[in-house]
Amino acid sequence: SQQGEEDPQALSIQEGENATMNCSYKTSINNLQWYRQNSGRGLVHLILIRSNEREKHSGRLRVTLDTSKKSSSLLITASRAADTASYFCATDARGFGNEKLTFGTGTRLTIIP
Amino acid sequence: DSGVTQTPKHLITATGQRVTLRCSPRSGDLSVYWYQQSLDQGLQFLIQYYNGEERAKGNILERFSAQQFPDLHSELNLSSLELGDSALYFCASSGTTGETQYFGPGTRLLVL
Repeated sequence: SQQGEEDPQALSIQEGENATMNCSYKTSINNLQWYRQNSGRGLVHLILIRSNEREKHSGRLRVTLDTSKKSSSLLITASRAADTASYFCATDARGFGNEKLTFGTGTRLTIIP
Repeated sequence: DSGVTQTPKHLITATGQRVTLRCSPRSGDLSVYWYQQSLDQGLQFLIQYYNGEERAKGNILERFSAQQFPDLHSELNLSSLELGDSALYFCASSGTTGETQYFGPGTRLLVL
């Protein structure tokens, strides 16, 4: 079963706009990560946020984590056509009875030029 | 380029057959993970090896098996293939902390 559920399942925005994707999970975690996947390609690690962190930035990416709500959001600012991809959250729950990285269902992001 | 390599890139075979997928992790990474990605099941963790030993098991069928060799490359063996085994199979590797996983380009398996 999926630990993380992304919302929305699909998102289309104009180039230059900001894109926000959300992830909810079910159990306690050590950290939460976001990955990007271009169509049919391997996943690329974007950013990791630990359970004791609330916000993290990396370039145009901003990730927040609310452990009380068991949710995270990924914000991509000033979107570009190259950002078109699927985005997955993944939870690391080692030590909490789940010894593997568990991926969510993904958000398909399309940037319209 | 993640540094993880997978061969072959594409594989077309028939039901009932057996195939072997190969993965070479990033230099220095001791952990190797195998995932299956299909349209209906999403990205599913199959199995993890750490320095030659099985570390964690996920939704891996009994018809599937894996191993990690002394040089740290790994193979995923799929036998008695069924149509539903058609999917993308990814290998990933990670370093000592095991947090960030680096994914290979995947092997696309089509069972006819």
